[in-house]
Amino acid sequence: DTGVSQDPRHKITKRGQNVTFRCDPISEHNRLYWYRQTLGQGPEFLTYFQNEAQLEKSRLLSDRFSAERPKGSFSTLEIQRTEQGDSAMYLCASSFAGPTAYEQYFGPGTRLTVT
Amino acid sequence: GESVGLHLPTLSVQEGDNSIINCAYSNSASDYFIWYKQESGKGPQFIIDIRSNMDKRQGQRVTVLLNKTVKHLSLQIAATQPGDSAVYFCAEIRYNQGGKLIFGQGTELSVKP
Repeated sequence: DTGVSQDPRHKITKRGQNVTFRCDPISEHNRLYWYRQTLGQGPEFLTYFQNEAQLEKSRLLSDRFSAERPKGSFSTLEIQRTEQGDSAMYLCASSFAGPTAYEQYFGPGTRLTVT
Repeated sequence: GESVGLHLPTLSVQEGDNSIINCAYSNSASDYFIWYKQESGKGPQFIIDIRSNMDKRQGQRVTVLLNKTVKHLSLQIAATQPGDSAVYFCAEIRYNQGGKLIFGQGTELSVKP
């Protein structure tokens, strides 16, 4: 399977715990995006990388959130001191930079439940 | 503020009928729109896109119409099938902001056999 993969698919954690999610993009893609989706809503942009550089962060990304893409390949999204409001689906997408940037391919998402 | 939103949250159609899903946007500078399909437990899947210099684009069983005068676009699905049941989102791409997508709320399409 050469699509975008995410791990884990589901995560249940207690409030206050830290969680980390991983995204493996399509190997040739140099852009990687993180989105958050709550029930009944469309995905909301969180941040994106071009290669290993994090170029934009949404105001939704509080200080408790950090994302990395150390080698320009896979990326991790960490949430520290989770809150119940963090419960959502976290989606990763990848694409090429440039004219075909609209062709973002999404992974299956990681569903986070904070109890 | 800027938004991309949908008129109706749910749509129920009979198998074989045509479906029309609508979307309104507020950013008059938007120049590229995309429709995504999201099935339960999966990430959004690209369906079709349209640039602002077009008013219609056709794919396989799908057609997107864009009316820039009233800032409205629609997705038409011909001969709707049970496999079309999903949530459909319109999205705007911001090329000057790294290509990030701005999604609307979504319309859930339910196809009755």
